[in-house]
Amino acid sequence: SQQGEEDPQALSIQEGENATMNCSYKTSINNLQWYRQNSGRGLVHLILIRSNEREKHSGRLRVTLDTSKKSSSLLITASRAADTASYFCATGPYNNNDMRFGAGTRLTVKP
Amino acid sequence: GAGVSQSPSNKVTEKGKDVELRCDPISGHTALYWYRQSLGQGLEFLIYFQGNSAPDKSGLPSDRFSAERTGGSVSTLTIQRTQQEDSAVYLCASSIPQVANVLTFGAGSRLTVL
Repeated sequence: SQQGEEDPQALSIQEGENATMNCSYKTSINNLQWYRQNSGRGLVHLILIRSNEREKHSGRLRVTLDTSKKSSSLLITASRAADTASYFCATGPYNNNDMRFGAGTRLTVKP
Repeated sequence: GAGVSQSPSNKVTEKGKDVELRCDPISGHTALYWYRQSLGQGLEFLIYFQGNSAPDKSGLPSDRFSAERTGGSVSTLTIQRTQQEDSAVYLCASSIPQVANVLTFGAGSRLTVL
Protein backbone atom coordinates (compact mmCIF):
# COMPACT_ATOMS: atom_id res chain seq x y z
CA SER A 1 0.00 0.00 0.00
CA GLN A 2 1.13 3.55 -0.60
CA GLN A 3 1.86 5.85 2.31
CA GLY A 4 2.78 9.16 0.73
CA GLU A 5 0.51 11.25 -1.42
CA GLU A 6 1.95 13.98 -3.58
CA ASP A 7 0.17 16.97 -4.90
CA PRO A 8 -0.31 18.33 -7.38
CA GLN A 9 -0.48 15.29 -9.64
CA ALA A 10 0.88 17.41 -12.47
CA LEU A 11 2.60 20.77 -12.61
CA SER A 12 3.60 22.79 -15.67
CA ILE A 13 5.82 25.86 -15.37
CA GLN A 14 8.14 28.03 -17.44
CA GLU A 15 11.89 27.71 -17.26
CA GLY A 16 13.28 29.93 -14.52
CA GLU A 17 10.21 29.67 -12.31
CA ASN A 18 10.14 27.81 -9.01
CA ALA A 19 8.32 24.50 -8.65
CA THR A 20 6.76 23.36 -5.38
CA MET A 21 5.51 19.85 -4.76
CA ASN A 22 3.90 18.56 -1.61
CA CYS A 23 3.77 15.19 0.09
CA SER A 24 1.49 14.03 2.88
CA TYR A 25 1.81 10.79 4.78
CA LYS A 26 -0.17 8.88 7.35
CA THR A 27 2.00 7.31 10.02
CA SER A 28 5.09 8.16 12.02
CA ILE A 29 8.30 8.09 10.06
CA ASN A 30 12.03 8.00 10.63
CA ASN A 31 12.88 9.91 7.48
CA LEU A 32 11.34 11.19 4.28
CA GLN A 33 13.06 11.04 0.93
CA TRP A 34 12.44 12.58 -2.47
CA TYR A 35 13.23 10.76 -5.69
CA ARG A 36 13.14 11.72 -9.35
CA GLN A 37 12.12 9.50 -12.26
CA ASN A 38 12.77 10.12 -15.93
CA SER A 39 10.89 8.30 -18.66
CA GLY A 40 9.19 5.76 -16.41
CA ARG A 41 12.37 3.90 -15.54
CA GLY A 42 14.52 3.77 -12.42
CA LEU A 43 14.24 6.36 -9.69
CA VAL A 44 17.15 8.47 -8.51
CA HIS A 45 17.50 9.63 -4.94
CA LEU A 46 17.52 13.42 -4.53
CA ILE A 47 17.44 14.31 -0.86
CA LEU A 48 16.63 12.87 2.56
CA ILE A 49 15.26 14.70 5.56
CA ARG A 50 15.13 13.09 8.99
CA SER A 51 12.14 13.32 11.26
CA ASN A 52 14.00 15.64 13.65
CA GLU A 53 14.89 18.07 10.86
CA ARG A 54 12.64 20.84 9.55
CA GLU A 55 14.46 22.03 6.46
CA LYS A 56 17.24 20.86 4.22
CA HIS A 57 18.97 22.25 1.12
CA SER A 58 20.86 20.65 -1.71
CA GLY A 59 21.79 22.87 -4.64
CA ARG A 60 18.54 24.17 -6.13
CA LEU A 61 16.48 21.83 -3.96
CA ARG A 62 14.87 22.80 -0.69
CA VAL A 63 12.90 20.32 1.38
CA THR A 64 10.79 21.06 4.41
CA LEU A 65 9.20 18.63 6.83
CA ASP A 66 6.36 19.26 9.25
CA THR A 67 5.87 16.13 11.34
CA SER A 68 2.90 17.64 13.20
CA LYS A 69 1.04 17.93 9.89
CA LYS A 70 2.65 14.81 8.42
CA SER A 71 3.66 16.73 5.34
CA SER A 72 6.71 17.71 3.33
CA SER A 73 7.39 20.01 0.43
CA LEU A 74 10.03 19.97 -2.28
CA LEU A 75 10.98 23.28 -3.85
CA ILE A 76 13.03 23.42 -7.02
CA THR A 77 14.30 26.93 -7.65
CA ALA A 78 15.18 28.46 -11.01
CA SER A 79 13.79 25.44 -12.86
CA ARG A 80 15.30 24.15 -16.08
CA ALA A 81 13.84 22.13 -18.93
CA ALA A 82 16.05 19.26 -17.73
CA ASP A 83 14.09 19.19 -14.45
CA THR A 84 11.12 17.76 -16.36
CA ALA A 85 10.43 14.43 -14.65
CA SER A 86 8.20 12.76 -12.09
CA TYR A 87 9.00 13.39 -8.45
CA PHE A 88 8.10 10.96 -5.67
CA CYS A 89 8.28 11.13 -1.91
CA ALA A 90 9.11 8.01 0.06
CA THR A 91 8.47 7.52 3.73
CA GLY A 92 9.57 4.99 6.25
CA PRO A 93 10.90 2.87 7.50
CA TYR A 94 7.92 0.61 8.14
CA ASN A 95 7.91 -2.90 9.46
CA ASN A 96 11.42 -4.18 8.81
CA ASN A 97 12.69 -0.99 7.19
CA ASP A 98 10.73 -0.92 3.95
CA MET A 99 10.02 2.38 2.25
CA ARG A 100 6.70 3.30 0.65
CA PHE A 101 6.17 5.71 -2.23
CA GLY A 102 3.45 8.12 -3.20
CA ALA A 103 1.85 8.44 -6.62
CA GLY A 104 4.21 11.21 -7.73
CA THR A 105 4.02 14.67 -9.23
CA ARG A 106 4.65 15.01 -12.96
CA LEU A 107 6.64 18.23 -13.50
CA THR A 108 6.95 19.78 -16.94
CA VAL A 109 9.31 22.73 -17.37
CA LYS A 110 8.77 24.55 -20.64
CA PRO A 111 11.81 26.18 -22.25
CA GLY B 1 28.38 -4.44 -9.24
CA ALA B 2 28.36 -0.68 -9.48
CA GLY B 3 24.59 -0.44 -9.65
CA VAL B 4 21.40 -2.45 -9.47
CA SER B 5 21.05 -4.59 -12.55
CA GLN B 6 17.71 -5.87 -13.82
CA SER B 7 16.96 -8.28 -16.62
CA PRO B 8 15.34 -8.51 -19.02
CA SER B 9 14.85 -4.80 -19.70
CA ASN B 10 11.83 -5.62 -21.83
CA LYS B 11 9.69 -8.73 -21.93
CA VAL B 12 6.70 -9.43 -24.14
CA THR B 13 4.73 -12.53 -23.32
CA GLU B 14 1.41 -14.13 -24.06
CA LYS B 15 -1.37 -14.30 -21.54
CA GLY B 16 -1.10 -17.44 -19.44
CA LYS B 17 2.67 -17.80 -19.71
CA ASP B 18 5.02 -17.63 -16.74
CA VAL B 19 7.75 -14.98 -16.55
CA GLU B 20 10.82 -14.51 -14.41
CA LEU B 21 12.40 -11.14 -13.72
CA ARG B 22 15.84 -10.91 -12.25
CA CYS B 23 17.45 -8.35 -9.98
CA ASP B 24 21.12 -8.19 -9.08
CA PRO B 25 21.53 -5.69 -6.23
CA ILE B 26 24.56 -3.68 -5.23
CA SER B 27 27.08 -5.85 -3.45
CA GLY B 28 26.77 -5.47 0.30
CA HIS B 29 23.23 -4.10 0.22
CA THR B 30 21.26 -6.27 2.60
CA ALA B 31 17.82 -4.95 1.71
CA LEU B 32 16.11 -5.60 -1.61
CA TYR B 33 12.74 -4.32 -2.81
CA TRP B 34 10.41 -5.04 -5.69
CA TYR B 35 7.92 -2.43 -6.84
CA ARG B 36 5.46 -2.37 -9.71
CA GLN B 37 4.59 0.73 -11.69
CA SER B 38 1.75 0.81 -14.16
CA LEU B 39 1.82 3.40 -16.93
CA GLY B 40 1.67 6.90 -15.50
CA GLN B 41 1.09 5.64 -11.98
CA GLY B 42 3.01 5.57 -8.73
CA LEU B 43 5.06 2.77 -7.26
CA GLU B 44 3.20 -0.18 -5.82
CA PHE B 45 5.17 -2.04 -3.17
CA LEU B 46 5.37 -5.78 -3.83
CA ILE B 47 7.91 -7.45 -1.58
CA TYR B 48 10.88 -6.64 0.65
CA PHE B 49 13.86 -8.77 1.67
CA GLN B 50 16.17 -7.84 4.52
CA GLY B 51 19.12 -10.04 5.40
CA ASN B 52 18.02 -13.37 6.84
CA SER B 53 14.65 -12.10 8.03
CA ALA B 54 11.43 -13.45 6.61
CA PRO B 55 10.47 -11.35 3.57
CA ASP B 56 7.60 -8.88 3.78
CA LYS B 57 5.26 -10.22 1.11
CA SER B 58 2.34 -8.02 2.03
CA GLY B 59 2.31 -6.21 -1.31
CA LEU B 60 2.10 -9.21 -3.61
CA PRO B 61 -1.22 -8.80 -5.46
CA SER B 62 -2.08 -12.48 -5.84
CA ASP B 63 -0.70 -15.96 -5.35
CA ARG B 64 0.48 -15.90 -8.97
CA PHE B 65 3.31 -13.64 -7.78
CA SER B 66 6.28 -14.97 -5.87
CA ALA B 67 9.84 -13.90 -5.25
CA GLU B 68 12.97 -15.35 -3.81
CA ARG B 69 16.37 -14.09 -2.93
CA THR B 70 19.13 -16.62 -3.05
CA GLY B 71 22.23 -16.30 -0.91
CA GLY B 72 21.22 -12.83 0.18
CA SER B 73 22.04 -11.45 -3.24
CA VAL B 74 20.22 -12.02 -6.55
CA SER B 75 16.44 -11.98 -6.49
CA THR B 76 13.94 -13.41 -8.93
CA LEU B 77 10.34 -12.25 -9.20
CA THR B 78 8.12 -14.88 -10.81
CA ILE B 79 4.68 -14.23 -12.23
CA GLN B 80 2.71 -17.34 -13.12
CA ARG B 81 -0.12 -17.51 -15.62
CA THR B 82 0.35 -13.86 -16.60
CA GLN B 83 -2.66 -11.65 -17.18
CA GLN B 84 -2.91 -8.45 -19.22
CA GLU B 85 -3.24 -6.42 -16.02
CA ASP B 86 0.23 -7.61 -15.04
CA SER B 87 1.66 -5.37 -17.76
CA ALA B 88 3.82 -2.79 -16.00
CA VAL B 89 7.39 -1.81 -15.24
CA TYR B 90 8.82 -3.89 -12.41
CA LEU B 91 11.42 -1.98 -10.44
CA CYS B 92 13.99 -3.43 -8.11
CA ALA B 93 15.91 -1.43 -5.52
CA SER B 94 18.50 -2.22 -2.88
CA SER B 95 19.76 -0.42 0.19
CA ILE B 96 21.70 -0.60 3.41
CA PRO B 97 18.97 0.01 5.99
CA GLN B 98 21.46 1.00 8.64
CA VAL B 99 22.61 3.87 6.44
CA ALA B 100 19.43 5.95 6.26
CA ASN B 101 17.85 3.42 3.90
CA VAL B 102 18.45 5.36 0.70
CA LEU B 103 17.28 3.18 -2.17
CA THR B 104 19.26 2.60 -5.34
CA PHE B 105 17.01 1.54 -8.20
CA GLY B 106 17.61 -0.55 -11.25
CA ALA B 107 16.37 0.58 -14.65
CA GLY B 108 13.38 -1.72 -14.42
CA SER B 109 11.90 -4.55 -16.45
CA ARG B 110 9.03 -3.56 -18.71
CA LEU B 111 6.56 -6.44 -18.98
CA THR B 112 3.91 -6.50 -21.68
CA VAL B 113 1.32 -9.26 -21.60
CA LEU B 114 -0.54 -9.68 -24.88
